[in-house]
Amino acid sequence: EAQVTQNPRYLITVTGKKLTVTCSQNMNHEYMSWYRQDPGLGLRQIYYSMNVEVTDKGDVPEGYKVSRKEKRNFPLILESPSPNQTSLYFCASSLGRPQETQYFGPGTRLLVL
Amino acid sequence: AQSVSQHNHHVILSEAASLELGCNYSYGGTVNLFWYVQYPGQHLQLLLKYFSGDPLVKGIKGFEAEFIKSKFSFNLRKPSVQWSDTAEYFCAVTADFTGGGNKLTFGTGTQLKVEL
Repeated sequence: EAQVTQNPRYLITVTGKKLTVTCSQNMNHEYMSWYRQDPGLGLRQIYYSMNVEVTDKGDVPEGYKVSRKEKRNFPLILESPSPNQTSLYFCASSLGRPQETQYFGPGTRLLVL
Repeated sequence: AQSVSQHNHHVILSEAASLELGCNYSYGGTVNLFWYVQYPGQHLQLLLKYFSGDPLVKGIKGFEAEFIKSKFSFNLRKPSVQWSDTAEYFCAVTADFTGGGNKLTFGTGTQLKVEL
């Protein structure tokens, strides 16, 4: 089944404790991206990647890192999480550019205490 | 940079009522426009998209949207809503300036509740 998977789905952590949220797609998509969804703010793009080893900042990259060593994986790294990073995070992928249909993962709900 | 505004944050309708959700974008050049929907407990999915050509775009489940360039708008419509249309709806845009075409910018979303 074609899909985007994210792990973990739910995570509670404490300020400053490094964490990684994984994202994987099995559709051989080139474009991958991360969004955070907050009430009243909609979805905001954190980082995106046009292909392996090509990443770029979205609208809210501060406090996040990403890497794209393999085409199928695009992990989101929070080196030192803070409470303002408490949010619902979505990974998405598309065949090429974002003009192509985006396929979204199920979301990861993160609480930083 | 492009931006998207959705002025209706919460909409409540009765079944069979007509729906129109507003979406305005801020970029003056060539844009690509999208509506995505998030049904309760489900992944975000594409409803419809506009690239060029006929400004009236038809999508899945009876939805349509009209691109009006002079008004910088891409409003979503459905003649008769059903209870199953209860969801959150997001308008999104990509723009053709350097780097802009690689970023997908979403609006703040409209929560639609359809009552029986």
